[in-house]
Amino acid sequence: NAGVTQTPKFQVLKTGQSMTLQCAQDMNHNSMYWYRQDPGMGLRLIYYSASEGTTDKGEVPNGYNVSRLNKREFSLRLESAAPSQTSVYFCASILTFGNYGYTFGSGTRLTVV
Amino acid sequence: SQQGEEDPQALSIQEGENATMNCSYKTSINNLQWYRQNSGRGLVHLILIRSNEREKHSGRLRVTLDTSKKSSSLLITASRAADTASYFCATDAEKSGGSNYKLTFGKGTLLTVNP
Repeated sequence: NAGVTQTPKFQVLKTGQSMTLQCAQDMNHNSMYWYRQDPGMGLRLIYYSASEGTTDKGEVPNGYNVSRLNKREFSLRLESAAPSQTSVYFCASILTFGNYGYTFGSGTRLTVV
Repeated sequence: SQQGEEDPQALSIQEGENATMNCSYKTSINNLQWYRQNSGRGLVHLILIRSNEREKHSGRLRVTLDTSKKSSSLLITASRAADTASYFCATDAEKSGGSNYKLTFGKGTLLTVNP
């Protein structure tokens, strides 16, 4: 049982390049989330998908897009990377909200130069 | 904006001592959760306390919730070096009697337990 799998683990991009961060969960969870973590800022929500077929903006959605490909997969795309998007990105999922906690992936460390 | 704010930002104690971390939040909640993050790793869920609960225990963890003061505390008893990590509170804010279906995290408390 792998839980939440994020790929890649590390990535260096040049300003203006695009990339997609992949997230997959094998726990049949309904809701999935993308957070970014910056020093001194805690975790901030980028986008989330409360259920398959829906996506909503979080606190810091600018510069990002998401796709809930199916119940298992939730990808995060940076269309034109900027240095301000240098961060550690975490994907999380949850079976049902209100009764359980999130299960987090191990993170993607992204550097934009 | 951060819903939860942990206090203190950093805490250093000796092995065997108790560690207490506090979290304050701003709006009505459905539940409050605590997570642990070891350096360079993903967060791990520790405990969930609902808005109608006042105290909850899990092993060496004790969580209290005071909704009138909009605050929670996490107590780790008989701490070990392996407890060294960052601890985050997260809130499920109430929305029209239901959930927002998302958690808002605080900035965390860095706990160091010295052997």
